[in-house]
Amino acid sequence: DAGITQSPRHKVTETGTPVTLRCHQTENHRYMYWYRQDPGHGLRLIHYSYGVKDTDKGEVSDGYSVSRSKTEDFLLTLESATSSQTSVYFCAIKYTVEAEAFFGQGTRLTVV
Amino acid sequence: EDQVTQSPEALRLQEGESSSLNCSYTVSGLRGLFWYRQDPGKGPEFLFTLYSAGEEKEKERLKATLTKKESFLHITAPKPEDSATYLCAVRRSNMLTFGGGTRLMVKP
Repeated sequence: DAGITQSPRHKVTETGTPVTLRCHQTENHRYMYWYRQDPGHGLRLIHYSYGVKDTDKGEVSDGYSVSRSKTEDFLLTLESATSSQTSVYFCAIKYTVEAEAFFGQGTRLTVV
Repeated sequence: EDQVTQSPEALRLQEGESSSLNCSYTVSGLRGLFWYRQDPGKGPEFLFTLYSAGEEKEKERLKATLTKKESFLHITAPKPEDSATYLCAVRRSNMLTFGGGTRLMVKP
């Protein structure tokens, strides 16, 4: 356990509603990442952060925004959820850019 | 564009039957190849990092090797508890690019 907690673990929401997923870490890792995992696509990077208020886009960032106001928290927001955003979302943390990434347990999001 | 392809997609083995999983990659400026294990309903769990061709890492029944174009995860005398999906990923700058994974099933 790398001290990383995702919440909620499961969520069902309606199309068009905003949704925020939270990733919390207790080990002061600088780098934090949000991935989504879908059958046939593997893990794909949505956004990442390399410090407080420093974020950048990944491969599949459209429809998502992120914020990192504290080292320990990285929030992923779906401004207006769509069915195509039904997925399992994983947060990952790294102490340095060269280090291995540690993953959270995931959040299963269903948009109906 | 970075590409990572894993094969086979699924592999069934009998307990004790050794085999290898393949990870082929295309990346400019490889800065690490990573292997992860993922159990159903859980996040990926880190196994190995390889940095240069010829490098090998071992952990229990698993051995990872790296060439300039691919990596292999060798599983020697697997047990049912080795059943999982194995993921590989390559790093360039800040980001990891993952392959689709190999789902390994080991029957007793």
